[in-house]
Amino acid sequence: EIALTQFPGTLSLSPGERATLSCRATQNLKNYLVWYQQRPDQAPRLLIFDTSNRAPGVPARFRGSGSGTDFTLTISGLEPEDFATYYCQQRYSWPPSFGQGTKVSLK
Amino acid sequence: DVQLVESGGDRVQPGGSLRLSCAASGFSFRNYAMSWVRQAPGKGLAWVAAISESDGSTYYAESVLGRFTISRDNSKNTVYLEMNSLRAEDTAVYYCAKCTGGWYEVCASDVWGQGARVTVSP
Repeated sequence: EIALTQFPGTLSLSPGERATLSCRATQNLKNYLVWYQQRPDQAPRLLIFDTSNRAPGVPARFRGSGSGTDFTLTISGLEPEDFATYYCQQRYSWPPSFGQGTKVSLK
Repeated sequence: DVQLVESGGDRVQPGGSLRLSCAASGFSFRNYAMSWVRQAPGKGLAWVAAISESDGSTYYAESVLGRFTISRDNSKNTVYLEMNSLRAEDTAVYYCAKCTGGWYEVCASDVWGQGARVTVSP
């Protein structure tokens, strides 16, 4: 099973700042890495598909990058609704697995 | 609107059983694999099980293998999760999720239900 490690665990930032979230895999995922956003008491929401493809309706300030074992989600100019927890998930091999999450909190 | 609505969440004693249902609408249900993902209180997401779009192929997380069964009824646009021999560590919100494609690819989820709460305690 492929393990994913997200860092940092928590990111304390102010609105308007840039957030950089990392996800590292124990195996080469090629580009099969997905990002989700989960706001408090809500279901997860698909943000980025296969490293860098934004899901429909996702604002352009969300950008995914990386390949192989190292991936990054960048949020340029945090909006109030972006303060949430973000999870990466690999879809390279069964079973799919999630990282433990990065919480972006208000400074 | 594309929608998934779970039902069947409850409080159950250790060793007990529960069946979750997930009703889908707004998309061609029979064309997509489906999965269940859970989230224990204060914890992250954990994938539980998935089922193919038509031939009944399934995949389970090791932690539930032999205790949980995923199934679907394409005539009712519904996917189920039968949970037996429940343990305290199965306490979680269980999300039904639509996979982005069919069984030919590992599941990523673009539509999620609101979640069904399962509590396992005496």
